[in-house]
Amino acid sequence: GEDVEQSLFLSVREGDSSVINCTYTDSSSTYLYWYKQEPGAGLQLLTYIFSNMDMKQDQRLTVLLNKKDKHLSLRIADTQTGDSAIYFCAGSGGYNKLIFGAGTRLAVHP
Amino acid sequence: GAVVSQHPSWVICKSGTSVKIECRSLDFQATTMFWYRQFPKQSLMLMATSNEGSKATYEQGVEKDKFLINHASLTLSTLTVTSAHPEDSSFYICSAPQGGSNQPQHFGDGTRLSIL
Repeated sequence: GEDVEQSLFLSVREGDSSVINCTYTDSSSTYLYWYKQEPGAGLQLLTYIFSNMDMKQDQRLTVLLNKKDKHLSLRIADTQTGDSAIYFCAGSGGYNKLIFGAGTRLAVHP
Repeated sequence: GAVVSQHPSWVICKSGTSVKIECRSLDFQATTMFWYRQFPKQSLMLMATSNEGSKATYEQGVEKDKFLINHASLTLSTLTVTSAHPEDSSFYICSAPQGGSNQPQHFGDGTRLSIL
């Protein structure tokens, strides 16, 4: 089955770029997703990329997909304090099932 | 705005009580919904797939008699934690794909369940 791994913690200075990395095992995922979770809240869909794309940009967010290495990354430009949260990458495990990574806690400091 | 509504957001109850959590898709129909459980500082674990008009599909290790799922309509799925005990305390989140198969899933805001 699908296995998704990501680094657990990232600390950046306000205004800098953040890059959160994720690796996955199942290359059959149609889509790969990035979700954001703030404390005590559900998951907010940030962005997603179709598996036949290499890159997707949406305002401050850039997703890069390297299918050969099964590596997915999320870049947040001009990181703000409001970006502090846990970021989950997820792959599709078939039948719309999502398999989540452990989550990367992003801390933004002044 | 929210496309999936989950209710209640917080429940505190005594051990032995059964608790029902509702998940509604807003402005779209969902023949399939998903229920996840999240322990503190951990990732989400898929519990079951809720299928409208048929039985839910449970993941390995999830007790179907403990976690009853009913997908009563195309916009509503319910999860009932029967005879809840302190070890059932957790954050439960539902999701639904908007637009059909392989479409991005939208999540409810979650229900924090605390069993005393």
